[in-house]
Amino acid sequence: GNSVTQMEGPVTLSEEAFLTINCTYTATGYPSLFWYVQYPGEGLQLLLKATKADDKGSNKGFEATYRKETTSFHLEKGSVQVSDSAVYFCALDTGRRALTFGSGTRLQVQP
Amino acid sequence: EAGVAQSPRYKIIEKRQSVAFWCNPISGHATLYWYQQILGQGPKLLIQFQNNGVVDDSQLPKDRFSAERLKGVDSTLKIQPAKLEDSAVYLCASSPYHEQKLFFGSGTQLSVL
Repeated sequence: GNSVTQMEGPVTLSEEAFLTINCTYTATGYPSLFWYVQYPGEGLQLLLKATKADDKGSNKGFEATYRKETTSFHLEKGSVQVSDSAVYFCALDTGRRALTFGSGTRLQVQP
Repeated sequence: EAGVAQSPRYKIIEKRQSVAFWCNPISGHATLYWYQQILGQGPKLLIQFQNNGVVDDSQLPKDRFSAERLKGVDSTLKIQPAKLEDSAVYLCASSPYHEQKLFFGSGTQLSVL
């Protein structure tokens, strides 16, 4: 079956540090890949997505590249801010428009 | 644009009781989802509707869970009887028919004692 594996958190960084959150997947076919974010007290919202191999999704300074050869979609940001503190979920969609999520990674950014 | 509305925000019940959750999706969104998110885990799909028809309910525990989407708009999810392991946040989401983007509500946090 389809599955998503994320690095465990929490990840604690100082402001302006470089962020990487690892995500790997197992899926049949060629899934679309997503990062969703959940800020404290808010609902899940789409951060970025990539629909085919070598595509790069980007939004709000975050980036992730769809790597078919390593079945990965790692999330990166060059300089995190306190406001980026949230839980980040990697997810995939094999075409049924229903997402399979990873377990989430909590990011805490300290001033 | 109004978002996905869910109620109640919190619910505490005792095991073997019944409970119902309500969801109002974004206007015009054909697809509606119910997800279960247990503490420390990612959301797990329970059921997916396309208009008022069920697309996927393979992970819905049908002996105790039921869901309906009347007239292809609002939806209710019911648990009867509840078990301790049903304690979780129940998330409703909707999406437009031709778009790979889900819009989530804030969820209903259920505690079963």
